[in-house]
Amino acid sequence: QKEVEQDPGPLSVPEGAIVSLNCTYSNSAFQYFMWYRQYSRKGPELLMYTYSSGNKEDGRFTAQVDKSSKYISLFIRDSQPSDSATYLCAMGTYSGGGADGLTFGKGTHLIIQP
Amino acid sequence: DVKVTQSSRYLVKRTGEKVFLECVQDMDHENMFWYRQDPGLGLRLIYFSYDVKMKEKGDIPEGYSVSREKKERFSLILESASTNQTSMYLCASSLAANEQFFGPGTRLTVL
Repeated sequence: QKEVEQDPGPLSVPEGAIVSLNCTYSNSAFQYFMWYRQYSRKGPELLMYTYSSGNKEDGRFTAQVDKSSKYISLFIRDSQPSDSATYLCAMGTYSGGGADGLTFGKGTHLIIQP
Repeated sequence: DVKVTQSSRYLVKRTGEKVFLECVQDMDHENMFWYRQDPGLGLRLIYFSYDVKMKEKGDIPEGYSVSREKKERFSLILESASTNQTSMYLCASSLAANEQFFGPGTRLTVL
């Protein structure tokens, strides 16, 4: 049984703060990891993709993966009100024919206060 | 940019009706997926396909079927809609084992 744990929040922080979002997982078969942002009544939008332990940076966003601890994080620097959304972690495995479907956390609702 | 489109944003159907949800992607992606998203339950995988005419069950396939006759199109079929299938349905596509790109979603209500 694949399982991903993610605190649903809401997480409320002031504008300009550093935000830390986290997920833990139990299945060591997961090989690649993603973070999605989802605004209300919209489809998820891919933010970050990584398949190795360590950090990956893209603008104000940093994704961190620790496979030994089965723990992934997304950091948002200089947070803006437009970052207010639900953030979903997702992870997947490779199969012989290609990618399997992703297993998602339930999402963290983030609120950035102006 | 990758574009994944879904046939309807909002759909209202009656119990027992046969429902078709269609998804089209324009980036020649091999893999396509159908998820449903419910409050408190998150996104759950219904079916996926990694090639034309190929399909694999996801975590919650009961009550659903799929069709992939062309590479760019993946259809989700509710053979006999029930009220517990009221949900947001999301289609996604990916190239090999890479990032999945989502469509805008179809909010289905079954009365």
